[in-house]
Amino acid sequence: DAGITQSPRHKVTETGTPVTLRCHQTENHRYMYWYRQDPGHGLRLIHYSYGVKDTDKGEVSDGYSVSRSKTEDFLLTLESATSSQTSVYFCATTGGYDNSPLHFGNGTRLTVT
Amino acid sequence: GDSVTQMEGPVTLSEEAFLTINCTYTATGYPSLFWYVQYPGEGLQLLLKATKADDKGSNKGFEATYRKETTSFHLEKGSVQVSDSAVYFCALATGGYQKVTFGIGTKLQVIP
Repeated sequence: DAGITQSPRHKVTETGTPVTLRCHQTENHRYMYWYRQDPGHGLRLIHYSYGVKDTDKGEVSDGYSVSRSKTEDFLLTLESATSSQTSVYFCATTGGYDNSPLHFGNGTRLTVT
Repeated sequence: GDSVTQMEGPVTLSEEAFLTINCTYTATGYPSLFWYVQYPGEGLQLLLKATKADDKGSNKGFEATYRKETTSFHLEKGSVQVSDSAVYFCALATGGYQKVTFGIGTKLQVIP
């Protein structure tokens, strides 16, 4: 596939602590996305990037920030984790040409206690 | 805004049964439509897509037709296998950055 690696795969953290999730891709795709997956909600877009240092908010961006200093890396930070941020987080990429599909990583399961 | 509606399930079928998962959408403009599949413990992967009205996407025995008049993109398979057990997501994409809107996902369980 598109060679997307998410780290860590699993994390348990306490309320109020900062957490950073990493997405690394080897396909030189321009566009990268962070989604969260929750029962009854499907996938919801948190933030996305359309180039190095170019990012924008998705529909559920409150409490999250992102950074993209290199084409291959897209970081998602929970500034002060809350229990409502317990979820499975997916990174996705696409080359961005017309109708190109998303390629997904295998997800990070985050539990905030 | 854009939206995708599909049943959450679970849908339980016996092996070799006929599968239909309904998907309807609301979008401005002319979206591309997708079905993604998620196997346990994995990320989503593209199953099939259609980019304009009346197009039929197909892959691995699954197919779906882009129906603009009914704003639908129902997924069908004539004979399901146990290995088809997964969660299926309908999605649409609009806009220059391929912003994708997903449905809630339909869990399919196929029993022998």
